[in-house]
Amino acid sequence: EVQLVESGGGLVQPGGSLRLSCSASGFTFSSYTMHWVRQAPEKGLEYVSGLRTRGPITYVADSVKGRFTISRDDSKSTLYLQMSGLRLDDTAIYYCVRGDVSWGPAHYWGQGTLVTVTS
Amino acid sequence: DIPMTQSPSTLSASLGDRVTITCRASHSLNNWLAWYQQKPGEAPKLLIYRASSLERGVPSRFSGGGSGTDFTLTINNLQPEDFATYYCQQYNDYSGTFGQGTKVEIK
Repeated sequence: EVQLVESGGGLVQPGGSLRLSCSASGFTFSSYTMHWVRQAPEKGLEYVSGLRTRGPITYVADSVKGRFTISRDDSKSTLYLQMSGLRLDDTAIYYCVRGDVSWGPAHYWGQGTLVTVTS
Repeated sequence: DIPMTQSPSTLSASLGDRVTITCRASHSLNNWLAWYQQKPGEAPKLLIYRASSLERGVPSRFSGGGSGTDFTLTINNLQPEDFATYYCQQYNDYSGTFGQGTKVEIK
């Protein structure tokens, strides 16, 4: 059974940093593209970033470019999102998502971790 | 980026109805289009990928159609568990943009 468990969310002040982690199990982690998708309170889904080991290929949305960095440790089956320069509008639930071996779509989702940026 | 326009934003329907949600892209997606269902307090769930392929375990009353830039999600015989918000997503390019969402409400 595929499982994705996010951690690392919490309260942070504007300008602060957080690192989200996503521990994966139930599949060969290194073979799949992994993504982060976020959802602000009462809003829609926003694609944040994706990373494929084979290639490799990395994509970061313009809204977080230069502030967020996606990475992965295939030996630990773990995906990361390093967030810095956090802004009020980064407040959201951040979902870890497993894509395909090529890129998308989002076949499996974690339960999400809440990041709240507040002064 | 490929902007995605989803409509309607809200849809009121009754049990047993057939409903259709549309999604339009600014560029051809080569059918790299997915549909998701999200219920309050839950993570989204993949329903349809490659425009018309049903994800394993998803009831057959859900179907996807269209090609190029225009796509549809159809739900036949609407069931109580289908009242939720639905999103389209393009994955023709790496930006993975989502539509704005369609909330299916009980009439």
